[in-house]
Amino acid sequence: GAVVSQHPSWVICKSGTSVKIECRSLDFQATTMFWYRQFPKQSLMLMATSNEGSKATYEQGVEKDKFLINHASLTLSTLTVTSAHPEDSSFYICSASPGPGQGSQPQHFGDGTRLSIL
Amino acid sequence: GIQVEQSPPDLILQEGANSTLRCNFSDSVNNLQWFHQNPWGQLINLFYIPSGTKQNGRLSATTVATERYSLLYISSSQTTDSGVYFCAVGPRGSTLGRLYFGRGTQLTVWP
Repeated sequence: GAVVSQHPSWVICKSGTSVKIECRSLDFQATTMFWYRQFPKQSLMLMATSNEGSKATYEQGVEKDKFLINHASLTLSTLTVTSAHPEDSSFYICSASPGPGQGSQPQHFGDGTRLSIL
Repeated sequence: GIQVEQSPPDLILQEGANSTLRCNFSDSVNNLQWFHQNPWGQLINLFYIPSGTKQNGRLSATTVATERYSLLYISSSQTTDSGVYFCAVGPRGSTLGRLYFGRGTQLTVWP
């Protein structure tokens, strides 16, 4: 149980393109999902917390207008990288856990999306 | 936020050797997870272990919450164990589940 699916797994696109990444909880509902970013040879850093039915909470230094998050249902959160540029190239990965009490449960991660902007 | 330190940063072993990876954290936690990130980037959840000891095959983990550290033991290492091992913690009092990651331990196992 507790499977998180992320799509697509790999994206290569031209500079200026907008890219949408989906994160789905397949067998549970998640009021909160998390989006992390990982640059090569580095650790995972939280970008934003996605809240079902309300605005996302962004970490300091993350541009809200660049990284649009929509959490319109209890099983789907999307991250849209708008007008992507080469510096946005990175590995993006989402996580979620069944509620209630997500703070005391394991987080389940998607397989990640490798984004390459040419 | 809570600080997470992992050691060693790099570890090179010959197949069959045993190893211990350490994770220190700066505050009380509700959640502690060990992950193995494979070459494709997938995070494989090894243990959910905010306290106590668990074993799964050749792997085991111990978290001493009162002393704010966790250990991951790998016995009889295999080449497929290579990759980056991350420790991630969720602070006590956090209700949502965000994790803070350490910098990881890069493990290379040679045949």
